[in-house]
Amino acid sequence: EVQLVESGGGLVQPGGSLRLSCAASRFTFSSYEMNWVRQAPGKGLEWVSFISSSGSTIYQADSVEDRFIISRDNAKNSLYLQMNSLRAEDTAVYYCARDSDRFPLFDSWGQGTLVTVSS
Amino acid sequence: SYVLTQPPSVSVAPGQTARITCGGNNIGTKSVHWYQQKPGQAPVLVVYDDGDRPSGIPERFSGSNSGNTATLTISRVEAGDEADYYCQVWDSSSYHYVFGTGTKVTVL
Repeated sequence: EVQLVESGGGLVQPGGSLRLSCAASRFTFSSYEMNWVRQAPGKGLEWVSFISSSGSTIYQADSVEDRFIISRDNAKNSLYLQMNSLRAEDTAVYYCARDSDRFPLFDSWGQGTLVTVSS
Repeated sequence: SYVLTQPPSVSVAPGQTARITCGGNNIGTKSVHWYQQKPGQAPVLVVYDDGDRPSGIPERFSGSNSGNTATLTISRVEAGDEADYYCQVWDSSSYHYVFGTGTKVTVL
């Protein structure tokens, strides 16, 4: 069974930075496209960022453009999200999600890591 | 940007049928996927490509998509189906994944 484990969440002040990690196992990580999806407390799901299997193609939601950077290290089976210039509205649980190899959807999810932006 | 609209809530008695709609401009031309999310848990894919089910998802879950509305249907509803449900599409014009606003299903 696919395993995705996020880490790196925590409390950060507005304007600060944080780096999330997602450790992948039990599948060939380098063959799959990956995403970050977030969910603010009591709110719906919001897609954040996509990265292709090689890392050469990246898509981002308008809300995080120029502030967040997605990356991956296929040798380490790891996905990352560098979050800069954080705002209160970035407070959310951040999920690492694997992209299906057949359709643009999320077929496996981690349990999420909570990021709280507050002074 | 592309917008998907769902009713905030749907209530259904056990054994009855729940229908959750997902409205979007010409959504019938897109492939729609549905996720179930229970409190404190990560979402789970329950229907993909309008109406197909991943392995392990009961046949009670089905979907359809036409015109401006996609629909997730849960037949013979059980207490364990109580959850939030989200539709999702890929918007090829903006290279964005888009989620619906979410629907809370309550089993009476």
